[in-house]
Amino acid sequence: QVQLQESGPGLVKPSETLSLTCAVSDYSISRGYYWGWIRQPPGKGLEWIGSINHSGRTYYSPSLKSRVTISVDTSNNQLSLRLSSVTAADTAIYYCASTTVTTILHYFDYWGQGTLVTVSS
Amino acid sequence: SSELTQDPTVSVALGQTVRITCQGDSLRSYYASWYQQKPGQAPVLVIYGENIRPSGIPDRFSGSSSGNTASLTITGAQAEDEADYYCNSRDSNDPHVLFGGGTKVTVL
Repeated sequence: QVQLQESGPGLVKPSETLSLTCAVSDYSISRGYYWGWIRQPPGKGLEWIGSINHSGRTYYSPSLKSRVTISVDTSNNQLSLRLSSVTAADTAIYYCASTTVTTILHYFDYWGQGTLVTVSS
Repeated sequence: SSELTQDPTVSVALGQTVRITCQGDSLRSYYASWYQQKPGQAPVLVIYGENIRPSGIPDRFSGSSSGNTASLTITGAQAEDEADYYCNSRDSNDPHVLFGGGTKVTVL
């Protein structure tokens, strides 16, 4: 089964850009599939950030679209998340997940363990 | 955009049946999927599509849908089923994705 592992700085200053990487193993991104980023503020629910397919087609949450960039690096079999102009409200556990998208479904079947990012000066 | 609404908390006696609901306009057109999340862990997919369980998910978990409401039923709840449960679906304002606010299930 697909294995995913998020990595990146655990602390980001306000107004700066949050950058995370998700390493995918036991599956080649270039084969297909979609990949997603989801976050969860401490003690709160899940929030979809965006999804991307192996060829780079992206879907972003309307509330984050102006600040988010998701990309795939098929040569290194990983995906990336960049979130600009962060504030304390962006403090959350960030998850990457493999994603199945059909005409009637969009779900996340395998998840990384998540990485906590705190926005603070 | 649309939203998905879940009851914040539900309790069930050990061995009994509990139904967790998820309401939203998007569910008239799209299937819900369901995730179980235990404290300190990543969510785990338990139901997707019409009523499909990924490999390894016990058959006491089942899903159904009617109109604008999707349901996750746990038949014969076990102590290890105590967790937060989230639904998600595509948004009517395609191609976005929605999550419900989550339901905390307590097994008494």
